[in-house]
Amino acid sequence: AQKVTQAQTEISVVEKEDVTLDCVYETRDTTYYLFWYKQPPSGELVFLIRRNSFDEQNEISGRYSWNFQKSTSSFNFTITASQVVDSAVYFCALSELSAGGTSYGKLTFGQGTILTVHP
Amino acid sequence: NAGVTQTPKFQVLKTGQSMTLQCAQDMNHEYMSWYRQDPGMGLRLIHYSVGAGITDQGEVPNGYNVSRSTTEDFPLRLLSAAPSQTSVYFCASSYRPIRQTNEKLFFGSGTQLSVL
Repeated sequence: AQKVTQAQTEISVVEKEDVTLDCVYETRDTTYYLFWYKQPPSGELVFLIRRNSFDEQNEISGRYSWNFQKSTSSFNFTITASQVVDSAVYFCALSELSAGGTSYGKLTFGQGTILTVHP
Repeated sequence: NAGVTQTPKFQVLKTGQSMTLQCAQDMNHEYMSWYRQDPGMGLRLIHYSVGAGITDQGEVPNGYNVSRSTTEDFPLRLLSAAPSQTSVYFCASSYRPIRQTNEKLFFGSGTQLSVL
């Protein structure tokens, strides 16, 4: 069975600090997809990134960066120079593939990490 | 283009009552699903559908029914509500198998359900 673990339940930082959210996953699939979603206080789920298991290139998008390491089954998310607007719950998720090798978005989510950025 | 629309946003039920959570998408998405979100447990898949007339169970299907008579709609039915079904429910959709494109799940804004 697939499993996603976000060991950090809550993180509190002061504005402008860098913060890394950890994500460790378990899967028997050789091909899979990893996601990060943000849930701000308003409650909606905001897509941040999708990563294919066969592409280990790290990605940077503005203040956000993601470190995918297949060898350690980790997909960590770093926010550089955090801002108050980054305060949210962040979810890491892993997709399940059908017998035909496609993913219909059956995601296994981690427990979520509550990030609070103080001014 | 409204995306994924869920109704109602809030609902209070008494134990044993039945109700239907509505989900509609106007993006012609083939895939739709329902998740529930509980504190400390992330989101868990209840039921999903890969197209009209096709549904299947997810991780936590007990107590819920679904049907998919059209591409646009995917209602979630609680037949006899229980306090354990107090949760926030999210509907999600995507256009095609995620592997084939850089597709992602589009989520609705959620329904907060309380069962007393």
